[in-house]
Amino acid sequence: AQKVTQTQTSISVMEKTTVTMDCVYETQDSSYFLFWYKQTASGEIVFLIRQDSYKKENATVGHYSLNFQKPKSSIGLIITATQIEDSAVYFCAMRASSGSWQLIFGSGTQLTVMP
Amino acid sequence: EAAVTQSPRNKVTVTGGNVTLSCRQTNSHNYMYWYRQDTGHGLRLIHYSYGAGNLQIGDVPDGYKATRTTQEDFFLLLELASPSQTSLYFCASRRLGGHSQNTLYFGAGTRLSVL
Repeated sequence: AQKVTQTQTSISVMEKTTVTMDCVYETQDSSYFLFWYKQTASGEIVFLIRQDSYKKENATVGHYSLNFQKPKSSIGLIITATQIEDSAVYFCAMRASSGSWQLIFGSGTQLTVMP
Repeated sequence: EAAVTQSPRNKVTVTGGNVTLSCRQTNSHNYMYWYRQDTGHGLRLIHYSYGAGNLQIGDVPDGYKATRTTQEDFFLLLELASPSQTSLYFCASRRLGGHSQNTLYFGAGTRLSVL
């Protein structure tokens, strides 16, 4: 069975600091894809960043980066120089490369960035 | 940026009522998905489709039907709505092939209340 777990339900940080959100996953597949999505206060869900399991380099997009620790089945999202508008719910998701195409989501982490 | 449009944005019905949620994507994506979002559960897959006339069962299909009438249109049907189906529903799509094939594009969501 495949599973994605986000144990942090909410995090609060001060503006301009760095925050890390945790995510662990379970899969039997040797090849898989990991994603982070952001849901804003308006409800909009947007794709942020992705890590392919066969890539050793951590993905980076803008002020988002990933901490991919394959032996620990962990994919943390790091946001540097946080801004007020980073306040949102962040979802970790996984897709295994075999079988039917389904994206499995974690339960989300609410990030609040304070001025 | 892919365009995924959901309607209605809000819907209130009574127990036993008949509800149809609509989703249209205008980017010729092959795959379309229906998710529900509930506090503590994140996003859970109800049904998905990889083309007109095709339907695949997701993780929480009970009480839901779906139909993909065209490449663009995917409908979610609740024929005997129950209070447990009160939720926020998201439609999403993705393309087949290419660099962004593993990225989901979400609609704005439909908030359904079953009284």
